[in-house]
Amino acid sequence: DTGVSQDPRHKITKRGQNVTFRCDPISEHNRLYWYRQTLGQGPEFLTYFQNEAQLEKSRLLSDRFSAERPKGSFSTLEIQRTEQGDSAMYLCASSLAKPGDSNQPQHFGDGTRLSIL
Amino acid sequence: AQTVTQSQPEMSVQEAETVTLSCTYDTSENNYYLFWYKQPPSRQMILVIRQEAYKQQNATENRFSVNFQKAAKSFSLKISDSQLGDTAMYFCAFMKPPSGTYKYIFGTGTRLKVLA
Repeated sequence: DTGVSQDPRHKITKRGQNVTFRCDPISEHNRLYWYRQTLGQGPEFLTYFQNEAQLEKSRLLSDRFSAERPKGSFSTLEIQRTEQGDSAMYLCASSLAKPGDSNQPQHFGDGTRLSIL
Repeated sequence: AQTVTQSQPEMSVQEAETVTLSCTYDTSENNYYLFWYKQPPSRQMILVIRQEAYKQQNATENRFSVNFQKAAKSFSLKISDSQLGDTAMYFCAFMKPPSGTYKYIFGTGTRLKVLA
């Protein structure tokens, strides 16, 4: 179990640029989540995948945001035309869906800290 | 919509002492799950303890235990024999199993500092 891996750890970019983050979940985990965490706040849900299907998107996820999980393994989160308000920590988590047990806890990565200049 | 409230932004405790972090939540659901996660400085979030709402018995994990009061919608975390390594942000989280997603709803966190 190598844990959830996120890349990069830090990203600094100018306003208006596009950025893409990658998340590699724990290998057997079929559920993957993206959260955003701003300073002094708890993580807020952005989107959720079961295998390759994106099953829910938060209203926080404007049309500048897009997430994919093309083969049901790693996922990418892209932000287009970044704005100052996008500065945050972006957390990825994964969990394993077992029949009859929906309480498998989520395992979190270290996050990608995005800073918009 | 469900909400989670952590009313203590910061707390401190002497090493080896006991501390209790509070969490309240609002839901109309009967079946749900509650979690406490720990986020050390610049490190990833780690599950501390979890509780199923249908279980009356309070969960315990070594030095960590919860006081789950379903009627009062309260889910506090007790840390016994506090250690310096317990210094971290602690987040309470709520999850309602599907319909739909398994997303967590987090509180705003409590920053705990353990003093030597």
